[in-house]
Amino acid sequence: AQSVTQLDSHVSVSEGTPVLLRCNYSSSYSPSLFWYVQHPNKGLQLLLKYTSAATLVKGINGFEAEFKKSETSFHLTKPSAHMSDAAEYFCVVNPPGNQFYFGTGTSLTVIP
Amino acid sequence: KAGVTQTPRYLIKTRGQQVTLSCSPISGHRSVSWYQQTPGQGLQFLFEYFSETQRNKGNFPGRFSGRQFSNSRSEMNVSTLELGDSALYLCASSLGLAAQETQYFGPGTRLLVL
Repeated sequence: AQSVTQLDSHVSVSEGTPVLLRCNYSSSYSPSLFWYVQHPNKGLQLLLKYTSAATLVKGINGFEAEFKKSETSFHLTKPSAHMSDAAEYFCVVNPPGNQFYFGTGTSLTVIP
Repeated sequence: KAGVTQTPRYLIKTRGQQVTLSCSPISGHRSVSWYQQTPGQGLQFLFEYFSETQRNKGNFPGRFSGRQFSNSRSEMNVSTLELGDSALYLCASSLGLAAQETQYFGPGTRLLVL
């Protein structure tokens, strides 16, 4: 069975401090993994994706994620949060030849 | 280059009716995928069309159907609407198959079923 679990429904950080959004997945085969961001009243935007190349993936806006097969995790990080990072973040798993499975989302609040 | 466009943006229907939503992909993109977003179920994959063929399908009843035209534009149809079909319907386009390419999402069509 395929699934993805975002461990925190809400994360709150102060501006300038690190961001960590956690994601664990379950997949029978080596999947592709993605992080998307959704700002209020805007469409989804791809932050980064892992497709079995380098395990540390760099994305847009300073975000990066590390694929850890032994832990079945794909956590999203950013060294220093900006106010503009406040949004909903979705972790997505796509097993080979299968549909996309979205996590339930993590709402990130950035405190000035 | 224009982004993904979806029409209409908002729609109100009553139970039992049917509805057709439209998605125009970015020029040159051949894949269109559809998603349903609700507060209770979150984001769920409906189906993907590539070169007019359905390539992948999520776990939705047969009331949900789609098609893709030769110009890559896609339509999604929901028949016999139920209250639970109220949702934001998102469409995304990509150059190739969604699993291999970056998907670009449209703003969505918000459907309210009364």
